[in-house]
Amino acid sequence: AQSVTQLGSHVSVSEGALVLLRCNYSSSVPPYLFWYVQYPNQGLQLLLKYTTGATLVKGINGFEAEFKKSETSFHLTKPSAHMSDAAEYFCAVTKETSGSRLTFGEGTQLTVNP
Amino acid sequence: DAGVIQSPRHEVTEMGQEVTLRCKPISGHDYLFWYRQTMMRGLELLIYFNNNVPIDDSGMPEDRFSAKMPNASFSTLKIQPSEPRDSAVYFCASSPSGARSPLHFGNGTRLTVT
Repeated sequence: AQSVTQLGSHVSVSEGALVLLRCNYSSSVPPYLFWYVQYPNQGLQLLLKYTTGATLVKGINGFEAEFKKSETSFHLTKPSAHMSDAAEYFCAVTKETSGSRLTFGEGTQLTVNP
Repeated sequence: DAGVIQSPRHEVTEMGQEVTLRCKPISGHDYLFWYRQTMMRGLELLIYFNNNVPIDDSGMPEDRFSAKMPNASFSTLKIQPSEPRDSAVYFCASSPSGARSPLHFGNGTRLTVT
């Protein structure tokens, strides 16, 4: 079975500072990995995804994530936080081989301080 | 494209009453997912459909929950009878090719059972 662990349910950064949200996954087969963002009172939106190929993936709003197989990690970063980045972020995994069961992590609430 | 449309946005009902949540997926998307979000359990997949056929309903909590997709443009999630522990935000999402492609979420239905 696949699973996702997000380290830190709450992360607080200053505007302009580096954003680092951590995600580790467990999967017995090559995974598809995703980061989704949820703004208040809205559904989730895709930030970026990793399927195969280049391990550094760029997404919307200046975010990027790097797939590190040896560390089973898929951490999300942004060089400079903006106030509008305040939201909840979810890492998710599904198996390459079959099925459509997307497993979400517990989420990380990002606060950006002025 | 109007996106995934869910109704109602908010539902308040008394324990024992029947509740019906509705979803209109994005046209052309062959997969439809129902998720439940709570503080305690995070995001849980309840059921998903492929081409209007239920594929995996292992996440449906119990027989009080049922979901249907009579055609490609409409799905319902019904709870009968409702209980206070069913209070949550219920999301519908659709995608063109399963969980390996981006899921497009609706804005959710916030259900409160008193």
